[in-house]
Amino acid sequence: DTAVSQTPKYLVTQMGNDKSIKCEQNLGHDTMYWYKQDSKKFLKIMFSYNNKELIINETVPNRFSPKSPDKAHLNLHINSLELGDSAVYFCASSPGTGKFNEQFFGPGTRLTVL
Amino acid sequence: GDSVTQMEGPVTLSEEAFLTINCTYTATGYPSLFWYVQYPGEGLQLLLKATKADDKGSNKGFEATYRKETTSFHLEKGSVQVSDSAVYFCALDSNYQLIWGAGTKLIIKP
Repeated sequence: DTAVSQTPKYLVTQMGNDKSIKCEQNLGHDTMYWYKQDSKKFLKIMFSYNNKELIINETVPNRFSPKSPDKAHLNLHINSLELGDSAVYFCASSPGTGKFNEQFFGPGTRLTVL
Repeated sequence: GDSVTQMEGPVTLSEEAFLTINCTYTATGYPSLFWYVQYPGEGLQLLLKATKADDKGSNKGFEATYRKETTSFHLEKGSVQVSDSAVYFCALDSNYQLIWGAGTKLIIKP
């Protein structure tokens, strides 16, 4: 009965490859997020969707493309992977976008680009 | 823009010591304030929150009070345990997202 799940948990790949990370939430939430956490634990928001509509699109290379087929899923596709993309990527969800909304995080996907 | 500043880590304490992790913020309006905790190898989880000035959030022995006059939301615990070792994040809500502090790593030695 995992609330927010991500696959895969670990992803090791070569520079230049294309990869995807999948996220699913079973909490009935309307809003989902992708975060990048670097080796110093700094957390940076990348994207947010509310009811399948993109509402936050931070300054992220356009090699990163999110896709939300329905409000329970938010996937992240990365083209032409670079060394600097190595990080832990977290998916999160919240009931909505208003105040007081707690965000629920997935376990993370550790991406290593060689 | 809105921002959150946390004390730098790592913070290293002995078991049963008193803990304070400082957090100050800059914001327009009256944001809600949050503390999240990240245990090793896991995602973040909400530890406590406060939604208006003078509110005190508490959970698992941790407390933080929303101080509007000092724009602070310091995290405290009276007696830490080894199991409290984790990274702690302070955050505020702003424009449909959370603004995060840099995180403070806490190490508790037995």
